[in-house]
Amino acid sequence: RKEVEQDPGPFNVPEGATVAFNCTYSNSASQSFFWYRQDCRKEPKLLMSVYSSGNEDGRFTAQLNRASQYISLLIRDSKLSDSATYLCVVKRPDNYGQNFVFGPGTRLSVLP
Amino acid sequence: DVKVTQSSRYLVKRTGEKVFLECVQDMDHENMFWYRQDPGLGLRLIYFSYDVKMKEKGDIPEGYSVSREKKERFSLILESASTNQTSMYLCASSFYNRASTEAFFGQGTRLTVV
Repeated sequence: RKEVEQDPGPFNVPEGATVAFNCTYSNSASQSFFWYRQDCRKEPKLLMSVYSSGNEDGRFTAQLNRASQYISLLIRDSKLSDSATYLCVVKRPDNYGQNFVFGPGTRLSVLP
Repeated sequence: DVKVTQSSRYLVKRTGEKVFLECVQDMDHENMFWYRQDPGLGLRLIYFSYDVKMKEKGDIPEGYSVSREKKERFSLILESASTNQTSMYLCASSFYNRASTEAFFGQGTRLTVV
């Protein structure tokens, strides 16, 4: 079993739709959680950090459930420009500090 | 503006060549990472470094080595390139032991080994 798993996708949704991505992680010692966005043939970029209390940034809402080891990302009112791959990222401690573990990503296509 | 810079966007090398991929960051980060990304496999950690001259193996270190002689620079070395090392290589950096801070990525190097 992979340490970080995501919905396999792809998700094809019309403009204006609401779409939710799910992510689970297996290492209970994980400390920090992020959603990254990666456009085709580009590097991943931070979309938002995920806090225990949940957090919102405009049309994007992230939730964390530590007990279930589950992270979600909700995108409201989807735009064409939201088309990308969304990566769930978990930061866990190791002997040398902290290390990032990436999920396989979920591809989103927003259609006109 | 924070910056992680990789020396090349695209590289084509021949089988058996020694290949150097360079990465420089200007954020005074302690941690630096090398990943490769392949379709269907996601990002996989090759090596990381948490200090100058320190290095640790990631999940797929075979066929690679690294060098960190200065804090801002982390090099990935393919000792003898093979076709199965054709991939997108991504360098990243972050602060050491600050739980909430994220990793910043370079623009990636697309390496083709022929």
